[in-house]
Amino acid sequence: ETGVTQSPTHLIKTRGQQVTLRCSSQSGHNTVSWYQQALGQGPQFIFQYYREEENGRGNFPPRFSGLQFPNYSSELNVNALELDDSALYLCASSLLAGDTQYFGPGTRLTVL
Amino acid sequence: GQNIDQPTEMTATEGAIVQINCTYQTSGFNGLFWYQQHAGEAPTFLSYNVLDGLEEKGRFSSFLSRSKGYSYLLLKELQMKDSASYLCAVSPPGRRALTFGSGTRLQVQP
Repeated sequence: ETGVTQSPTHLIKTRGQQVTLRCSSQSGHNTVSWYQQALGQGPQFIFQYYREEENGRGNFPPRFSGLQFPNYSSELNVNALELDDSALYLCASSLLAGDTQYFGPGTRLTVL
Repeated sequence: GQNIDQPTEMTATEGAIVQINCTYQTSGFNGLFWYQQHAGEAPTFLSYNVLDGLEEKGRFSSFLSRSKGYSYLLLKELQMKDSASYLCAVSPPGRRALTFGSGTRLQVQP
C-alpha cells in the first residue's frame, strides 16, 4: 500500500506566474485536503475535495483553486503568484471526509 | 473562530519524560489530533482524542479534557529521534478542515 505522494518536491517561480501542484492519495482514500505551511507555523487549511467535489474551503483567495480526478488524485493551482505564497504545500488524504488525515511529503514552493 | 495555543519550544533530556500542552478555544469541536513533524518532512499522525481521558500508545500518550479545552501529549523514555515539532490540531463538527496550532519544537539533548 503506497502512501500519499506529491510532485514536484521543490519549485521556484517568479511573482505573477502560475503553478500546479499534484497529489496522489493513499490507496483506498477518496478525500484529499490541501494545506499551506509557512516556516515556523502550523499548516493552514486551503480546501478539501471529496469524490471530485470541493467539500470545504479555508480563508484563501479564489486564485487558489483545485481539482480532484476520478482516481482521487488532486491538483492545487495557484494563479498570479505573490511572494507570500512561498511555503510548504501539503496534501493529506483520508478514507472518508471526516477521518484521520495522512500527509504527503509536501512541495516546497519559492516565489521570487 | 478557532484559537489554539502551544509552547513554541521545549528542551528535554534523553531518557526523560516530557509533556507538551495544548489549549484551544473553538466555535465547534469534534476531536483533537497530535502530529509529529521532523524538519522538512510531512506531519505524521500520532493520536486522536474524542472523549475525555488518556489514550496510551507505546511511549506516547495523549490526554483530552473537553470541558477545559485542554490536551497534552506525553512522551516517555525520550530518544534523540523524538526531536521534532509536535502539532496539535482541532477537528470541528463535520471534520473537514483541521485547524493547527503553530507547533512545539522539542529538542532532545544527550
